[in-house]
Formats: sequence, C-alpha cells, structure tokens
Amino acid sequence: QVQLQQWGAGLLKPSETLSLTCGVYGGSFRDYYWSWIRQPPGKGLEWIGKINHSGSTNYNPSLKSRVTISVDTSKNQFSLKLTSVTAADTAVYYCARSPLQTDWLDPWGQGTLVTVSS
Amino acid sequence: AIQLTQSPSSLSASVGDRVTITCRASQDISSALAWYQQKPGKAPKLMIYDASSLQSGVPSRFSGSVSGTDFSLTISSLQPADFATYYCQQFNTYPITFGQGTRLEIK
Repeated sequence: QVQLQQWGAGLLKPSETLSLTCGVYGGSFRDYYWSWIRQPPGKGLEWIGKINHSGSTNYNPSLKSRVTISVDTSKNQFSLKLTSVTAADTAVYYCARSPLQTDWLDPWGQGTLVTVSS
Repeated sequence: AIQLTQSPSSLSASVGDRVTITCRASQDISSALAWYQQKPGKAPKLMIYDASSLQSGVPSRFSGSVSGTDFSLTISSLQPADFATYYCQQFNTYPITFGQGTRLEIK
C-alpha cells in the first residue's frame, strides 16, 4: 500500500521561497505522475503541477512563472518550490499520485499548512 | 481553463436519505471527471474516477453518472460517515481544475 509523506517549512515571510518535499513509500515511483495541489484555508482546491520519474513536468499557467517541481528518483521523492510568496500563497499543500495515462489523484499526502506572514 | 460548477454549494440531509450532487463542466470533458470526499483537517479521498468508476474500497452506495457536460454523484442511503465536503475534478484538459465543493451536512 503506497503512502505519501510530505514535509517542509510551515512559516514563511513575504518574498521567500516555499519548499516542500513528498516521499513515496511502498510502491512504484516510475509508473506514475506526481502532483502538488493546494487549498487556502476554508477554500477549494487548486492544482499546481505534476512530474514523472524522468522529470517531465506540467504546470498550472496561473503559477508557472514561480513554480518548479523536481524529482529525486534515488530517494523516491519529489519536491515543490514556489518563489516570491505572498499572503495569497497561504494554504495547505498536498502531494498526490496519478496514473501515467490519466490524472485522477490517489492517494494524497497528509498535507502541510504553509503560512506566509510578515 | 475549464470551469466546473457544483450544485448545490451546501446540502442538509438525514441519515438514510438519497442525495445527488451535480458538477457542470464549461465544455466537453468526455468522461474525464473524478469525485473526492474531504473531511475537516484531512486530505481529499478519491471516490469515483472516469465519471462512473468506483474506486476500490469505496462503498457501493456511492455512484457516478454523466450526461453530456453534467456529472452527478449520488449517495443512495446516507450514512454518518458520508457527511463531508465533496469536490469534482476534471482531467481532460490542462490545467486540471476542481469544482468549488459541496458541503453535505446533517439535518
């Protein structure tokens, strides 16, 4: 049973860079895409982007200029970096898995609350 | 980006009720739609994929259907564990987008 466990800094100041990592345990890393999704407090879900084991990415155009998703296949991990954060980036960030040929998301990581405040 | 509009935004129902939540896509997405259940403080859980396929382990009282660009999630007989917020998601066209959510509350 695959499990996704995520970690990273939870409190940032405006203009800093958000950095989160998601580890994949108990399943194949090569046979899936790996996504990041965020959810502002009390609001809906926003897809950020995805990556596969070879580093092929797809980003949401609304965030593309500030987002980098990378992969470390030696550790079965993938990471999110979001530059120049503002209060609008305050959200719970989730990692999730999707099959190679489609984009429904399962399972999800436990979520990490990232707060941007001066 | 494709917009997904869920209705209603919130719904009060009783244990044993049959409820239906609708998700309308702004353009044709074929059957590329999933439904998720989210409880407070938890990650979303996949319930239905490809519009009508039941995810493994999800109770059979959940079902999904599609008619054109209108998608529905039906719970045949509400159980206490079903009270949560439900989101639809389209994966036909990038960027992937979600509906705004439907909060299902106990009456």
